[in-house]
Amino acid sequence: QQQVKQSPQSLIVQKGGISIINCAYENTAFDYFPWYQQFPGKGPALLIAIRPDVSEKKEGRFTISFNKSAKQFSLHIMDSQPGDSATYFCAASMGNSGTYKYIFGTGTRLKVLA
Amino acid sequence: DTGVSQNPRHKITKRGQNVTFRCDPISEHNRLYWYRQTLGQGPEFLTYFQNEAQLEKSRLLSDRFSAERPKGSFSTLEIQRTEQGDSAMYLCASSFRTNSGNTIYFGEGSWLTVV
Repeated sequence: QQQVKQSPQSLIVQKGGISIINCAYENTAFDYFPWYQQFPGKGPALLIAIRPDVSEKKEGRFTISFNKSAKQFSLHIMDSQPGDSATYFCAASMGNSGTYKYIFGTGTRLKVLA
Repeated sequence: DTGVSQNPRHKITKRGQNVTFRCDPISEHNRLYWYRQTLGQGPEFLTYFQNEAQLEKSRLLSDRFSAERPKGSFSTLEIQRTEQGDSAMYLCASSFRTNSGNTIYFGEGSWLTVV
């Protein structure tokens, strides 16, 4: 119940295309869903986050779509660029857990072709 | 630089030796986390501090691991009698809860290689 399942494991997209990464969870107590971007040898950096009372959140080229009934959420990267090539992690946390620790997905390695 | 700072960035050690990593969180953040990340995997939670109190430890944190956060500022993670399975990147993160949520900010990580 603590798992966050992420797919696909890897993704190749042409420059200018849309990259879509999906995550699913079981625990309905999760109430905060961030996405992180990680470049090789670096720590994860927050990209965008959403709470379950909102179905969509957009920041620049990045959009999170959230489906509470299906317990799924996804990251859409519009107009993908070679500089977006990185590993992306979804995560979930429970506000009432006290720690607000994040449970991470296994990651999606995105490659955007020039 | 006001981000989370970790030292050393890289450490190669022989099996059986002890290693210590240091983390300096963002100054106004009262919450501090340690995570471990192995190649091809997402970060896994190890432990959490609120101010100087260690409030949660993962089952991943064996008896050989100890973390401290004296005075609620910087934190150290010590691994005693290192094993090859300890080879990973150790990530420190900090946060400060606001009405919009609890956003965790990660450091660059400390890579450990046990040979």
